[in-house]
Amino acid sequence: QVKLLQSGAALVKPGDSVKMSCKASGYTFTDYIIHWVKQSHGKSLEWIGYINPYSGGTNYNEKFKSKATLTVDKSSSTAYMEFSRLTSEDSAIYYCARRGFDYWGQGVMVTVSS
Amino acid sequence: DIVMTQAPLSVSVTPGESASISCRSSKSLLHSNGITYVYWYLQKPGKSPQLLIYRMSNLASGVPDRFSGSGSETDFTLKISRVEAEDVGIYYCGQLLENPLTFGSGTKLEIK
Repeated sequence: QVKLLQSGAALVKPGDSVKMSCKASGYTFTDYIIHWVKQSHGKSLEWIGYINPYSGGTNYNEKFKSKATLTVDKSSSTAYMEFSRLTSEDSAIYYCARRGFDYWGQGVMVTVSS
Repeated sequence: DIVMTQAPLSVSVTPGESASISCRSSKSLLHSNGITYVYWYLQKPGKSPQLLIYRMSNLASGVPDRFSGSGSETDFTLKISRVEAEDVGIYYCGQLLENPLTFGSGTKLEIK
C-alpha cells in the first residue's frame, strides 16, 4: 500500500536550517509529484510547493520561495525539504503529500526556539 | 491568489442526521478541460488530512458514499449523510486549479 513516511520532530534554533524527509513506498516514486504543506498550530493549510521526482523540476509558492528548497533522491524514493533562516513563525507541522493530495505523510513538527 | 471561503466555521450534528459545508472560491475553478478543480479533505483530531472528494464530485478511494460533493464554478458543497461519530474533525476545501494552491480556513464538525 502507498505510504509516505516522514522524519521525526525537530527542535531548532532561530536562524538555523532544518531538513526533513518523506520516504515513499508502495508505488513508483517517479510517477507522482510530491507536495509540501505547512500547518501552523490550530490553523489552516498552506501550500509550500511541489517537486517532480522524475525531472527534479520544482514549483514554489512565492511566499516560500526564499525559505524552502525541495529535492529528491530517486535511488531511495525520498523527497526532502530544507527550510532556512528559521524564525518562530516557522514553528509548525509540515506534511508531504502525493499528487492530488490522495496520500499524506504523518507530518513533521518543527519547533523553533532558543 | 484564489481565496477559498468556507462556511460555517463549525457545525454540530446529531448522529444519523445530515450536514452540509459550503465553500466559495474567488475565481472560477472550472478548467477549459471541463474539470472543476475543487477538493475536500477531512483532518481528524491529531491526524494528517485525508482526501474525501476530488475534482468537485468524485469520491476518493475508501471513502464512504455518505460523503458527496457538488457545486458550480465558484460555489461548492460537501454533504455528509447519516453523520457518524467517526466523522468529527475539521473539513477543508482546496483548489488545485492554479498556483499557489490554496485551502479554506476549515469547518469543524462536532457531534451533539
